[in-house]
Amino acid sequence: DQQVKQNSPSLSVQEGRISILNCDYTNSMFDYFLWYKKYPAEGPTFLISISSIKDKNEDGRFTVFLNKSAKHLSLHIVPSQPGDSAVYFCAASVYGANSKLTFGKGITLSVRP
Amino acid sequence: EAGVTQFPSHSVIEKGQTVTLRCDPISGHDNLYWYRRVMGKEIKFLLHFVKESKQDESGMPNNRFLAERTGGTYSTLKVQPAELEDSGVYFCASSQVSHRTNTGELFFGEGSRLTVL
Repeated sequence: DQQVKQNSPSLSVQEGRISILNCDYTNSMFDYFLWYKKYPAEGPTFLISISSIKDKNEDGRFTVFLNKSAKHLSLHIVPSQPGDSAVYFCAASVYGANSKLTFGKGITLSVRP
Repeated sequence: EAGVTQFPSHSVIEKGQTVTLRCDPISGHDNLYWYRRVMGKEIKFLLHFVKESKQDESGMPNNRFLAERTGGTYSTLKVQPAELEDSGVYFCASSQVSHRTNTGELFFGEGSRLTVL
């Protein structure tokens, strides 16, 4: 039973446009959410996170939005760049940081020049 | 500063054989995690060490998997005997305990790809 769902396996976006990556979760106990980016043959790298007490967190071109009532979060990348092409994993944890992460299956983002 | 390093990067073994994967976390990181990704699916938690103690091993698939972290530094994950379904990429991650500044970020290694034939 998947507790973190990334239902779209892939997304293709034109360079300069906005990329919106979606993630849904089922466990209402999750209180911390993270996005990781992964290039081929590399490990995931941390991108941005958000605590359940917030509904938005921004870091440069990356913004994560959290809708607790809908159990939904999204990652916005503006503007998208070819170097953003990677697999993006949504992850969640209970009891805050340092706890085990539950990952989604990932979304492959392709940014076309 | 060196990141999380894992060895070997790729291991091909036959069913029934034994494999030991090694992870060296970032120096000073008390938290060490093992995760596994099978066949392009989600990355799944295996276990969590805090220093040399197992904090959570709820994700370990069965008793064919044994993880150790003697001395609270590097960790090993042994699979004995290996089965076909054990194939996948095993990721190690580490983090420092710092409740004031910790963003929840885990630093991942590049992974050890295990292929069981």
